Amino acid sequence: QKEVEQNSGPLSVPEGAIASLNCTYSDRVSQSFFWYRQYSGKSPELIMSIYSNGDKEDGRFTAQLNKASQYVSLLIRDSQPSDSATYLCAPDAYSGAGSYQLTFGKGTKLSVIP
Amino acid sequence: EPEVTQTPSHQVTQMGQEVILRCVPISNHLYFYWYRQILGQKVEFLVSFYNNEISEKSEIFDDQFSVERPDGSNFTLKIRSTKLEDSAMYFCASSGNSGRVFAGELFFGEGSRLTVL
Repeated sequence: QKEVEQNSGPLSVPEGAIASLNCTYSDRVSQSFFWYRQYSGKSPELIMSIYSNGDKEDGRFTAQLNKASQYVSLLIRDSQPSDSATYLCAPDAYSGAGSYQLTFGKGTKLSVIP
Repeated sequence: EPEVTQTPSHQVTQMGQEVILRCVPISNHLYFYWYRQILGQKVEFLVSFYNNEISEKSEIFDDQFSVERPDGSNFTLKIRSTKLEDSAMYFCASSGNSGRVFAGELFFGEGSRLTVL
């Protein structure tokens, strides 16, 4: 059973601060990791993908991956009220049949306070 | 911008009835998925579909569920005899054109909310 653990929150940060979201996963075979954002009542939206150990930056977002520790994180700099959403961590599992299956964590609810 | 479209946005049905949820994936994508999310819970994988056949399915995807790609554009999820616990938001997703979009990067539709009474 593949497990993805996230702090469910809510995580409250003031506008302009750094939000730090963490995720651990149990499947050592996972090679690719994804962060999705889900606004209340909406579908998940991909915001970051990371495939190798280290940091990957994209605008105000930085994903960090440590495969040895089975840990992936997402930092949001200069947090904005529009960042208020649930952030889903999703390691992949390649089925070997031409398809990837993502296992989503329950998500961390982020609230950015103006 | 290309998007995944789903119909209906909301369907109410009686327990035991058959339901078909429809999806039009992004046109040049190769991999198709159904996920579901029960209210307040996590997004759960149901099934993946590639090259006109099921690639993988979860233990949720039992005999009452089936998927089909009846033509070159639609991808459907059929629930044969709905149960109360099937009430959820059902998301269709697609991924993996042959270009720069990595197969593991999913594009989700807006979802179809199913309510079983």
